Amino acid sequence: EAQVTQNPRYLITVTGKKLTVTCSQNMNHEYMSWYRQDPGLGLRQIYYSMNVEVTDKGDVPEGYKVSRKEKRNFPLILESPSPNQTSLYFCASTPAGAPTGYTFGSGTRLTVV
Amino acid sequence: GESVGLHLPTLSVQEGDNSIINCAYSNSASDYFIWYKQESGKGPQFIIDIRSNMDKRQGQRVTVLLNKTVKHLSLQIAATQPGDSAVYFCADRAGGSYIPTFGRGTSLIVHP
Repeated sequence: EAQVTQNPRYLITVTGKKLTVTCSQNMNHEYMSWYRQDPGLGLRQIYYSMNVEVTDKGDVPEGYKVSRKEKRNFPLILESPSPNQTSLYFCASTPAGAPTGYTFGSGTRLTVV
Repeated sequence: GESVGLHLPTLSVQEGDNSIINCAYSNSASDYFIWYKQESGKGPQFIIDIRSNMDKRQGQRVTVLLNKTVKHLSLQIAATQPGDSAVYFCADRAGGSYIPTFGRGTSLIVHP
């Protein structure tokens, strides 16, 4: 089944403890992206990647890092999480070429205490 | 700045009614538009898309209308069912860009 897989689905952590949220897609998509979703603010892009080793900042990149060493994986790294990073996170992918919609993962609900 | 927005944050309808969710966009360079459905606890799911060279596209029980003159997009859901209850997002992309701009969402509530 074509999908975007995120792990974990739920995570509670403490301020300052480094964490990684993984994202993997099995559709050979070139383009991958991370979003956070907060009440009243909708989906905001954190980082995106056009292809392997090509990443760029989205609208809200502060406090986050990403890497794209392989085409299928696009992990989101929080080096020193803070409570304002408590949010619902989505990974998404889409192929290059003719425009088509994103395929989203199921989301990761992160709570930083 | 450029933005995609929704006119109504919440829409309540009775089961069986037709629903219309509206969206305004401001980027005149946008040439591709998408509607997503997000059910509680799940990621957004693609519903239907439309390119700027069309003004109407139909799917199963859904129709998207595009009015480029007034930069307006709508999603019509026929014979709305309780399973249609969700948040609906519109998104647009400018030509050559892979970066969509998402609206904030409209919550559709379907009463049995």
